[in-house]
Amino acid sequence: KNEVEQSPQNLTAQEGEFITINCSYSVGISALHWLQQHPGGGIVSLFMLSSGKKKHGRLIATINIQEKHSSLHITASHPRDSAVYICAVTPPLNTDKLIFGTGTRLQVFP
Amino acid sequence: GAGVSQSPRYKVAKRGQDVALRCDPISGHVSLFWYQQALGQGPEFLTYFQNEAQLDKSGLPSDRFFAERPEGSVSTLKIQRTQQEDSAVYLCASSLATRSPLHFGNGTRLTVT
Repeated sequence: KNEVEQSPQNLTAQEGEFITINCSYSVGISALHWLQQHPGGGIVSLFMLSSGKKKHGRLIATINIQEKHSSLHITASHPRDSAVYICAVTPPLNTDKLIFGTGTRLQVFP
Repeated sequence: GAGVSQSPRYKVAKRGQDVALRCDPISGHVSLFWYQQALGQGPEFLTYFQNEAQLDKSGLPSDRFFAERPEGSVSTLKIQRTQQEDSAVYLCASSLATRSPLHFGNGTRLTVT
């Protein structure tokens, strides 16, 4: 079993829909990251959080430390949101080494 | 430059060849990471530098893999005697300090034929 699990693996949506991607982890963490990867490989960091909720534009990330679960929400989805969304965790050591999930491939159609 | 730069963008190597992949982190960034991403998978940790010191190389899959960062800025990942299973995207990331946001390069896609 992977230490970081994401669901769903693949997700399609119509433009404007509200999207939720889930992440569960089985290890202790000091932080959880949500990352976006576009075709071609480039990865962009969306959020780094250790508790509660963060919002940036149409993106919202939440984390429940007790349940070892995080969600990434996209409101009013747009075709340009199409990408792979990756959840990653930082173990509680003096390093930022990340343990990655396998990603959720999102396609938003007009 | 404004971001993390990796070169080459694509590399095709014949099995048995040696390859060298370069990462230029953001200027002043102390931490530097290398990750390997196989097709359809999430990235997996290879090695970590703090300045010129390689503090963690536990993810390097074999002794054919070697990384260095001699002056605490540019880093090179070298793979000797490449094998087909080495085909992957190699990602470099840097951060200003521990617990700072990570910045990723676009990766080097290595194909071993």
